[in-house]
Amino acid sequence: DAGITQSPRHKVTETGTPVTLRCHQTENHRYMYWYRQDPGHGLRLIHYSYGVKDTDKGEVSDGYSVSRSKTEDFLLTLESATSSQTSVYFCAISQGAGTEAFFGQGTRLTVV
Amino acid sequence: GENVEQHPSTLSVQEGDSAVIKCTYSDSASNYFPWYKQELGKRPQLIIDIRSNVGEKKDQRIAVTLNKTAKHFSLHITETQPEDSAVYFCAASKGNTDKLIFGTGTRLQVFP
Repeated sequence: DAGITQSPRHKVTETGTPVTLRCHQTENHRYMYWYRQDPGHGLRLIHYSYGVKDTDKGEVSDGYSVSRSKTEDFLLTLESATSSQTSVYFCAISQGAGTEAFFGQGTRLTVV
Repeated sequence: GENVEQHPSTLSVQEGDSAVIKCTYSDSASNYFPWYKQELGKRPQLIIDIRSNVGEKKDQRIAVTLNKTAKHFSLHITETQPEDSAVYFCAASKGNTDKLIFGTGTRLQVFP
């Protein structure tokens, strides 16, 4: 498996609190992605990064922000968590557009 | 932006039969089309991919075809086995710095 680690793996948080999920890679891949997976919606792109400090919005970016201050870490922040953000979050990495994306183990987030 | 539609959402076949999953994409500039398999409780993993300069690609029992004119691509699994049971996702992306967009997934069940 590619060297990609998500933390935490599980989290329960209250509505209105900020939450940060971390994706860490040891592969030195340029691209990093955050997806959420919900029944009936598949994998939806939240934000992605194509280099240090280079990020862009995905399909469902409202309520989320990201930061990438170094190659190996990509942070996803829910500024004020809502119940609609209860989901499984996957981080993925790839060497570039048009190459295989490797996924992390996923983070199950529950907002109560 | 790119939109990827995937059909069917569920597919049940008898062991040994063939299975076909179809996807359409909206952006004619897309040039990379991977397929991922996600087993229950696990992360998605790449099973095959195709680029826009190729019409068909095979790897043992799986094959992918691409019709650029119609903007659709398909996954074909022959001689299905129970271990093929999983959720399959198609995806599309284009060029440098562009995002990887997924379809909504197909749950394939192979009955012995």
